[in-house]
Amino acid sequence: AQSVTQLDSHVSVSEGTPVLLRCNYSSSYSPSLFWYVQHPNKGLQLLLKYTSAATLVKGINGFEAEFKKSETSFHLTKPSAHMSDAAEYFCVVSDNLLNFGNEKLTFGTGTRLTIIP
Amino acid sequence: SAVISQKPSRDICQRGTSLTIQCQVDSQVTMMFWYRQQPGQSLTLIATANQGSEATYESGFVIDKFPISRPNLTFSTLTVSNMSPEDSSIYLCSVEDLGASGIGEQFFGPGTRLTVL
Repeated sequence: AQSVTQLDSHVSVSEGTPVLLRCNYSSSYSPSLFWYVQHPNKGLQLLLKYTSAATLVKGINGFEAEFKKSETSFHLTKPSAHMSDAAEYFCVVSDNLLNFGNEKLTFGTGTRLTIIP
Repeated sequence: SAVISQKPSRDICQRGTSLTIQCQVDSQVTMMFWYRQQPGQSLTLIATANQGSEATYESGFVIDKFPISRPNLTFSTLTVSNMSPEDSSIYLCSVEDLGASGIGEQFFGPGTRLTVL
């Protein structure tokens, strides 16, 4: 069974300061891990994906995440927040790494990121 | 990467009626997924639809309530039957396809926002 826990339901940071969104996972196998972003009234967009290659994954819009197996964590970071980063962020886990076309995703409860001008 | 469209984008329905949501993909895909996002909540997988076979439903979801069709490799429908206000949600379809990196990733449609009165 797989699960993911997003430790903060809401994070507020000032524009230009670092962003840290925390995620811990549980998986029976070597997992695939994702971060998705959902802007208000818009669809889900993939920020980045970890698939057992490099443990530090770089995504779009300056975001990156580090896979730490010993801590079962996959925290999302960005050095400097921008107003356009305000959105809902979902950490997602999948066990079906080798079964392309059948990746069943389990979503975390989401973290709402607010940027303070 | 796959481009997904959904119809309708939103609807307001009366209790006891049914609504069929359409999902169209611009390329042939093996598996299509249907998710529900209740207000202020995360995404929950309803079922996985494989062309030419019965959909596979997740725990808590049944075919009588959420019948799914998958007539070909680019199209699927989800029907929400005998609706109640608790069915008010955003319904999203998704597919697995190769991303820009050449690695499989899941792409999401824009969603159908359903309100049941």
